[in-house]
Amino acid sequence: AQSVAQPEDQVNVAEGNPLTVKCTYSVSGNPYLFWYVQYPNRGLQFLLKYITGDNLVKGSYGFEAEFNKSQTSFHLKKPSALVSDSALYFCASDSSYKLIFGSGTRLLVRP
Amino acid sequence: SQTIHQWPATLVQPVGSPLSLECTVEGTSNPNLYWYRQAAGRGLQLLFYSVGIGQISSEVPQNLSASRPQDRQFILSSKKLLLSDSGFYLCAWESSIIAGEADTQYFGPGTRLTVL
Repeated sequence: AQSVAQPEDQVNVAEGNPLTVKCTYSVSGNPYLFWYVQYPNRGLQFLLKYITGDNLVKGSYGFEAEFNKSQTSFHLKKPSALVSDSALYFCASDSSYKLIFGSGTRLLVRP
Repeated sequence: SQTIHQWPATLVQPVGSPLSLECTVEGTSNPNLYWYRQAAGRGLQLLFYSVGIGQISSEVPQNLSASRPQDRQFILSSKKLLLSDSGFYLCAWESSIIAGEADTQYFGPGTRLTVL
């Protein structure tokens, strides 16, 4: 069965430092991979996706993600974190009309 | 541009009462539509999805049902609410026809349901 794992419940980082939110996947074939962000009491916002091509995908708000096939990972990164980046982040993989979501990682950026 | 609406934004209902949540999409045709539930601010559970009018697929058997009476309208219903139905309900759409947009789901603002 296909699955997506986010091994960290929470990531803490100081403002201005680089951040990484980890995601690993277990899917058959070529995966479509996504990152979404959710602010409190809001819907999910699409950040970026990997379909094919360049392993480094750039998305909204300065975020990027690196697809690594050998490590089956799709980690979300940002060179310099902002306090406003504090939110809940979800990694997801596409599987026949459906998205399989990870459990979410709460990112806390302290001033 | 495409937009997705959900209402109501919040709802407090007694146990045993009926439920109707509505989701509509503007600016696209024949979207794939989804209902998710998010409990305790964490994981998302796919409840139903639809690839066309009158076509509903259920992911998890439970106290809820879904209908798609029009191309861009998706309704989540229950005849009798349970305490366990409390949660944050999210509707999402996905284009089935716009090149380069396949497989990207876009979410509505959500409905917070509290069953007392």
